[in-house]
Amino acid sequence: QVQLVQSGAEVKKPGASMKLACKASGYTFINYYIHWVRRAPGQGLEWMGIINPGGSNTRYAQKFQGRVTMTRDTSTSTVYMEISSLRSDDTAVYYCARWGYYFDHWGQGTQVTVSS
Amino acid sequence: NFMLTQPHSVSESPGKTVTISCTRSSGSIASVYVQWYQQRPGSSPTTIIYEDNQRPSGVPDRFSGSIDSSSNSASLTISGLTTEDEADYYCQSDDNGYRVFGGGTKLTVL
Repeated sequence: QVQLVQSGAEVKKPGASMKLACKASGYTFINYYIHWVRRAPGQGLEWMGIINPGGSNTRYAQKFQGRVTMTRDTSTSTVYMEISSLRSDDTAVYYCARWGYYFDHWGQGTQVTVSS
Repeated sequence: NFMLTQPHSVSESPGKTVTISCTRSSGSIASVYVQWYQQRPGSSPTTIIYEDNQRPSGVPDRFSGSIDSSSNSASLTISGLTTEDEADYYCQSDDNGYRVFGGGTKLTVL
């Protein structure tokens, strides 16, 4: 069965960087785009960007351009998202999601806390 | 660029029917498919409607989606409400490859 398993919770200080992982299984990794979506406390879902695991091309929401980098490792079927210059308002649950005409599978989410 | 606007919250009694709207700020709602996602507390979102009105397998037919060009809105209708339907609901569409989410609607079933 299709699974997206995300890396564990992170606690970071403002100004630091972090790299989240999303490991895919149960399907052909390069055939489906992966998106990252976050939900901050008291807020709604926010789309961050997309990566094509088959070609590594990416597209980021304007808000995150210059601060977010998405990469993939086809040997381990894993997608990564690195966020730099973390701020307190980056505190959120981060989700990876597979797009197959819609977000048809989601990871379990990674809690990220940014605090001094 | 466009925004999708949803009511912040709605509430209804068990067994009743509720409709959640999602209004597109500019451009035609009919030009790009709309999806709807349900997110219960502590869980990842799940899809309940895709391509305006299609249900993924396993989603009960109590959930239905539609679009209305006259109001430039999409709607999610849930009939036969149960307490399990209490969740946040999000509409989502596409803006030239950039995904757009509505602000979300908290459904309370009481």
